[in-house]
Amino acid sequence: DIVMTQSPDSLAVSLGERATINCKSSQSVLYSSNNKNYLAWYQQKPGQTPRLLIYWASTRESGVPDRFSGSGSETDFTLTISSLQAEDVAVYYCQHYYSPPFAFGPGTKVDIK
Amino acid sequence: EVQLLQSGAEVKQPGESLKISCKASGYTFVSHWIGWVRQMPGKGLEWMGIIHPGDSDTRYSPSFQGQVTISVDRSTTTAHLQWSSLKASDTAMYYCGRHRAPSSYDGFDIWGQGTMVIVSS
Repeated sequence: DIVMTQSPDSLAVSLGERATINCKSSQSVLYSSNNKNYLAWYQQKPGQTPRLLIYWASTRESGVPDRFSGSGSETDFTLTISSLQAEDVAVYYCQHYYSPPFAFGPGTKVDIK
Repeated sequence: EVQLLQSGAEVKQPGESLKISCKASGYTFVSHWIGWVRQMPGKGLEWMGIIHPGDSDTRYSPSFQGQVTISVDRSTTTAHLQWSSLKASDTAMYYCGRHRAPSSYDGFDIWGQGTMVIVSS
């Protein structure tokens, strides 16, 4: 089974500054047949349901602000918030969907400095 | 509007059985995988398993295999998660989610509002 790890566990960033979250999978989640990385990112604000931000590692879900971007391939991925806003305070999770079980990472908590 | 509506909170005693539900609407139910995710109090998201409503093909996480049963009722466009004998450690919020693309493994683009299950004597 593929294991997901994230770093850091938490970070505090000033408003308007960049936040970077890393995600690593224990094996590649890149399907060679379609050249897609089976990796998603979610945001979960306090007391709320998770929200899909990014799929295929870098495709933004409809309605997600363009300050959120995803990058990476195979085993190493990054979620970047280019200019942190107050409403971005949340826990962010990566998840692979390469082959079941589709594990989530442990989460990264983002706060305002 | 595409939505998943989950059943209400439950308070149960250890050893009791339970079946919670996730009613889908606004899209072709049989086309998208539906999954279940556990979130224990103050903890992260745990993937439990998925089911394809078209043929009931089901995949479980090894951590939950044999502990829960995932099923669907196509006549009511509802997915279910059930336990035969609850434990205190089953206390958690349970979310259902729909895979984004039809008949494909994908991220969960639509989530239910969550069902809180409390198991306590």
